[in-house]
Formats: sequence, C-alpha cells, structure tokens
Amino acid sequence: SQQGEEDPQALSIQEGENATMNCSYKTSINNLQWYRQNSGRGLVHLILIRSNEREKHSGRLRVTLDTSKKSSSLLITASRAADTASYFCASIPMDSSYKLIFGSGTRLLVRP
Amino acid sequence: NAGVTQTPKFQVLKTGQSMTLQCAQDMNHEYMSWYRQDPGMGLRLIHYSVGAGITDQGEVPNGYNVSRSTTEDFPLRLLSAAPSQTSVYFCAIRGQGAGTEAFFGQGTRLTVV
Repeated sequence: SQQGEEDPQALSIQEGENATMNCSYKTSINNLQWYRQNSGRGLVHLILIRSNEREKHSGRLRVTLDTSKKSSSLLITASRAADTASYFCASIPMDSSYKLIFGSGTRLLVRP
Repeated sequence: NAGVTQTPKFQVLKTGQSMTLQCAQDMNHEYMSWYRQDPGMGLRLIHYSVGAGITDQGEVPNGYNVSRSTTEDFPLRLLSAAPSQTSVYFCAIRGQGAGTEAFFGQGTRLTVV
C-alpha cells in the first residue's frame, strides 16, 4: 500500500490544550500537506510544507517535517471545540507530482 | 463558483448493478482524482487524470472505470457493483504542479446491498 500512517488514530483533549498529530510517509516527497475533514464531508486544505522546509506556521497551526525520518507532525495550539474533526496528512511524491497520497488520519475530539 | 460538484450525494445499489458517479469542476484545474474512504483507512486513490483525454490507475482501480473527455468532468463508473464497493467516494481537483492544494467535492455515500 502507498498509504502513510498517522498516530494517534484518535485523540481526546480539553479545550485550551494543544493537540499533536504525527504522520509517516513512504517515498521521497516534493511536499506534504495537511487536511481537515468534518463529519464525513469533503476535506479542506490547511497547510503545505515543502521538502526543503523544516517548520511552518499558520495561525494556531504548526507543522514540522523531518525528511530523514519520513515524518511530519501537526500541532494545533489552544484548541477549541470547533477544531473537532479528522486530520489527514497527504504527501506528493517526488516522482509523481500529480498524486496526493493520504495517511490514515487522526480523529480529534476537543471537549468544551 | 461551486468548485467541485459531486452527484448524487447518496445511492443504494443492488449487487451487479452499474452506475456512474459524476464530478464536475468550474476551476479549470488540470488534475482530477477519485478517492474512496473506508472507516479507519483514510482516502485511497482509485483513478486520476492529469488532463482531458489522459487517465491512469491509482491504488485501488479494480471494478471502476473513468474517462475524461473535457477539463470540467471526470465521471467514475462502477461496472458491476459489489458489497466491497460500499464506501464514501470523493472527487478532488488540483492545479498543475506539485505545490498546489486539492479541492474536494462533498462526497457520494454509496451502499451496495
């Protein structure tokens, strides 16, 4: 399978806490993207990090990338109940930039 | 400007029936893809297209057929539905190039009985 892995599979935290999700992928990449999915609806793009970047920020989101370990992490700071969703990483392979290969996802529950 | 429109939203099929899931875009993006999402397995790529007249297989193509005669439309055909094809199907589009984000349709929930 080309799919990457994410952990944890599920995460439950209190509002105001930070949430960290990890992603591993299998091939050399051009970039890695994170997406959010609410209740089985379509995915929405959150942030993209290129293979030559190590860290990127966007609002309350912080993404890191370690290409030597083929892994990435997404940190959501000061979480809110509205952050409750599933989060997926998606890698774009170096040799096939038209593909987007998804990880298995992390279900995040933020308790009010 | 609707972005990506998928129809139908829900469908129930009997084993052996065929059907077409429709995907239409109004963003003029070159790349279009079909994914299926099963519980705990993320999204798996079924077929993709890099432009009109060009399609290729993804990770799980068996039992599905696609064509792309225009930039706007990318239908997915189930040739003879099986219970294993019960899933949620998503169409996604991306602009050309590696550094582009994907836009998704709202999904089609298919049940094969």
